[in-house]
Amino acid sequence: EAGVTQFPSHSVIEKGQTVTLRCDPISGHDNLYWYRRVMGKEIKFLLHFVKESKQDESGMPNNRFLAERTGGTYSTLKVQPAELEDSGVYFCASSPAPGQAHFGPGTRLTVT
Amino acid sequence: GIQVEQSPPDLILQEGANSTLRCNFSDSVNNLQWFHQNPWGQLINLFYIPSGTKQNGRLSATTVATERYSLLYISSSQTTDSGVYFCAVGWETSYDKVIFGPGTSLSVIP
Repeated sequence: EAGVTQFPSHSVIEKGQTVTLRCDPISGHDNLYWYRRVMGKEIKFLLHFVKESKQDESGMPNNRFLAERTGGTYSTLKVQPAELEDSGVYFCASSPAPGQAHFGPGTRLTVT
Repeated sequence: GIQVEQSPPDLILQEGANSTLRCNFSDSVNNLQWFHQNPWGQLINLFYIPSGTKQNGRLSATTVATERYSLLYISSSQTTDSGVYFCAVGWETSYDKVIFGPGTSLSVIP
């Protein structure tokens, strides 16, 4: 089966610009997660979708971040406007059940 | 919230050596996983092990939930084992909202 894919692999934007990250989960996985690792710190949970619904978005840092999962398939994470502290690696994961999370390769975001 | 510690923070091994990585957590958990982040940045799920012992080839893991720690054993290490090993814990039984530890950076040299 194809794995979790993320696009782009690397994005460099200026402070104040908008960036949209995309995640395509493994087909059939209802659960989709976003995590991020900022400035070499711990990987932290952002939010969890079950199909198209947000199950838990307690990790979203502020209202500059907007996540969607239209039709319960792929998901997007938009950062608008981006700030310097948003730089880091954004991981997406999908799973059919707890403990079976498959992570994507991540998107490295650099805000200058 | 739950605190997760990992030790050692860094480890250098000669190829063929064995190692034990430790994960301590501060509260009861229902979900514990070990991940390997390879040099290309990809996170690979190694074990889902909220309790007990599991083995997969040269890797094995043991979690003693009552004492709030988990161990990851790597035997006969290979250069491809290099990378960062993360322990991640959570309290949800229905999904994978987890807290990652700081990781152990492993370098296996020929």
